[in-house]
Amino acid sequence: AQSVTQLDSHVSVSEGTPVLLRCNYSSSYSPSLFWYVQHPNKGLQLLLKYTSAATLVKGINGFEAEFKKSETSFHLTKPSAHMSDAAEYFCVVSQGGSYIPTFGRGTSLIVHP
Amino acid sequence: DTEVTQTPKHLVMGMTNKKSLKCEQHMGHRAMYWYKQKAKKPPELMFVYSYEKLSINESVPSRFSPECPNSSLLNLHLHALQPEDSALYLCASSQALAGAGGETQYFGPGTRLLVL
Repeated sequence: AQSVTQLDSHVSVSEGTPVLLRCNYSSSYSPSLFWYVQHPNKGLQLLLKYTSAATLVKGINGFEAEFKKSETSFHLTKPSAHMSDAAEYFCVVSQGGSYIPTFGRGTSLIVHP
Repeated sequence: DTEVTQTPKHLVMGMTNKKSLKCEQHMGHRAMYWYKQKAKKPPELMFVYSYEKLSINESVPSRFSPECPNSSLLNLHLHALQPEDSALYLCASSQALAGAGGETQYFGPGTRLLVL
């Protein structure tokens, strides 16, 4: 079985400050983990993914995430928020044997000027 | 080209209408998906096609009828919908079925459907 928990429904930051979006997962097998971003009235865009290679994964637009097996976490970070980062972020887990990726509930990132 | 296209962008239909949503990809992907997304919620999987055959139907009502005419196209036929079916309908594709080897799903921009 697999599941994913995004610990915060909303995260509010000021422009230029760091961003931390938290994701914990549960998986019976070695998981693949993804972060997607969705801007208002748009589709989902892949930010980054982890598939059992390097535990620190760098993505687009300055985002990165670290896979921590001991903590079953895959938190998304960015050193300095930009106004254009305001969007909905989804953490997704998938594993071999299940063809249905599991989405977290989403975290809404709000960026203040 | 990593683009999935969807038409139309917006659709308004009455409960007695028949309409279709269209999705297209030219990445050579063999798995395609339909998702339904309500406001402020994650996408919910509806159907999965693998090699043009329906692999997964997540207990979707029969008023939604998927079709995969070829490896690049995915349609969703709509008939006798209810107002609660109003949502953003997203199409996605992946090289192989998601879950096997960390396949990435590529999403289209979606069709915003309003049922009156």
